[in-house]
This record gives sequence, structure tokens and C-alpha cells, in this order.
Amino acid sequence: EPEVTQTPSHQVTQMGQEVILRCVPISNHLYFYWYRQILGQKVEFLVSFYNNEISEKSEIFDDQFSVERPDGSNFTLKIRSTKLEDSAMYFCASSENSILRPRQETQYFGPGTRLLVL
Amino acid sequence: GEDVEQSLFLSVREGDSSVINCTYTDSSSTYLYWYKQEPGAGLQLLTYIFSNMDMKQDQRLTVLLNKKDKHLSLRIADTQTGDSAIYFCAENPSFMDTGRRALTFGSGTRLQVQP
Repeated sequence: EPEVTQTPSHQVTQMGQEVILRCVPISNHLYFYWYRQILGQKVEFLVSFYNNEISEKSEIFDDQFSVERPDGSNFTLKIRSTKLEDSAMYFCASSENSILRPRQETQYFGPGTRLLVL
Repeated sequence: GEDVEQSLFLSVREGDSSVINCTYTDSSSTYLYWYKQEPGAGLQLLTYIFSNMDMKQDQRLTVLLNKKDKHLSLRIADTQTGDSAIYFCAENPSFMDTGRRALTFGSGTRLQVQP
């Protein structure tokens, strides 16, 4: 069964450094998402992406963050000038695009990248 | 805004049924999902239900939806030790009404299955 993949599984970085988290969504999916889960807290929506542009973003997704689809398969989240509070598990998800069938809006999640900012 | 609430912890014995509860606030038509997260792993989609349904059954899983009370439950029959995990309820407002696709998650219920 197709699945969302993410790399790396773990990343340790120094405060102030830039990190890029990578995701390969399911191949026929058109919507892509990033979520994060700070340890012990809820999973929070960051951003959704469709047709090479951001379609929706949360208050968390400020100028420190950016997303990109650099090629036909990858979807990346860049975090500039990382802060201690950016330490979290970052999940990528993807979904098909259909206004007729609910199942095709279901978001399938990757295994996550655990980011630790020191 | 939307809010989703869950109890934090549930302990059951192997072979018993588990019932995990969730309440939500969004009054518009919505999709509701159950995800499972095993330690150190990602979010595995278990099942979903649309708000025009009352019940959905999928093997050992039964989802019940009470739209009036905005209450969702996940029943796991014959619970096994392998079911031990955190279970997240999530809602997605109908994008046909709102244009939004962001999922709002509950805080998760940790299910502990004792042998």
C-alpha cells in the first residue's frame, strides 16, 4: 500500500541553524500538509499546499517557516533560525483532492521527523 | 474555533472491549477521524466517519457518532496487547462549506492493555 515517507527520522541542530525536513507524499495525491507535535501536546496543523502554493496556514506558520515542492515527488519544510521551542515531531501528510468522495480527503501521515534544537 | 477533547488515559484487560470517547465543537458538517500512534511512530489512520452517519463498523472497530451531543466514540472489541497506543480523535470541517482542510486533533487517549 502506498505510504508517505519522511527523512530524516531524527535531526539534531543548534539553535539558530536552518533545517529542511523532507517528505515524499503518496504519488497520486495533490494536497500536502505539515503538522507538528510538541512532546506531550496535541498535534497542531501548520500548513497545507496545493498546486504549488500555500492554501491554508495556521498562526504557528510564521515567516520562520517555508514550504516548497522542489520537484515532482518531494515536499519540504524549511525552518530558518531554529529556536528551542521548535523541538517537536514534524509530520507530513497528503490527501487526494475530491469534493465528491470523503475518503479521498482523508489525510495519510508519514512516520514523522523528530527535531531536537539544542 | 474548533476544539476536540478526549480523556487522557484508559486501561483495560486483554479480551475486554475498549471505548475511547471524544467530543467536538464544530457545528458544521464535518469528517471525524481516529488515528493510532504507537510509541515513537507516526499517525496511522484507523477509520473515519462523516457527520451524516451514526455508526460505522470495520472489523473489531465500531465508531458511534451522536451529532446532537457532538460525541464520538471508538469501540475496540476483543482488545489485544498490540492495541496499546495513543488514539487521537480529529475533525475536519467540511471544506465544501469552509474551504479548509486542516485537521483539529484531540490531545489523545493512551490505551493500556493489561495481559
